[in-house]
Amino acid sequence: SAVISQKPSRDICQRGTSLTIQCQVDSQVTMMFWYRQQPGQSLTLIATANQGSEATYESGFVIDKFPISRPNLTFSTLTVSNLSPEDSSIYLCSVSSEYLRTFQPEQYFGPGTRLTVT
Amino acid sequence: TQLLEQSPQFLSIQEGENLTVYCNSSSVFSSLQWYRQEPGEGPVLLVTVVTGGEVKKLKRLTFQFGDARKDSSLHITAAQTGDTGLYLCAGALRRALTFGSGTRLQVQP
Repeated sequence: SAVISQKPSRDICQRGTSLTIQCQVDSQVTMMFWYRQQPGQSLTLIATANQGSEATYESGFVIDKFPISRPNLTFSTLTVSNLSPEDSSIYLCSVSSEYLRTFQPEQYFGPGTRLTVT
Repeated sequence: TQLLEQSPQFLSIQEGENLTVYCNSSSVFSSLQWYRQEPGEGPVLLVTVVTGGEVKKLKRLTFQFGDARKDSSLHITAAQTGDTGLYLCAGALRRALTFGSGTRLQVQP
């Protein structure tokens, strides 16, 4: 398993500003993922971040709104730009565990960042 | 439209009761996982099932993967208040996970 920390744990931001969320892992991992979880809902994948390459975004999410950095194998950031109240959510990073013979994408999650936009 | 539908969405039961949560899809998955999420925390992996028809037990929790690898169930025997949380199934397609709609379980003392 992996231990994942996120900063900040929560924040209240004004409309039009941006928030950058940091994700730190205690071991080197190939793939990191960013999810959004709206209140009372399930998880929606925003993007997959591999070290040394551009993040891959899911349908409905664009780089201008959710820029991601992945400078090394233990760290990533997600920025939520030009905030609106609709961006109020929990943002979670996760890492994938891969086995050599069979790909089993078990994921380990950080505690999440609760964002409220006023 | 949710690729993985879970039922029920909400469940409130008394301690000691049994319950089953279902996770259904029209897609075939290479593996399926169950997670539990408590307030203020990220989801925590409970189990991974890989083979069609596979059954795994984790203390009072029994997980089953459908023969066609399109559906799964989670059965909890003699529920305890500590079982309260959001239960999420997640299916692996290629190299990404798709999460189910979630089942929120409340176990009353």
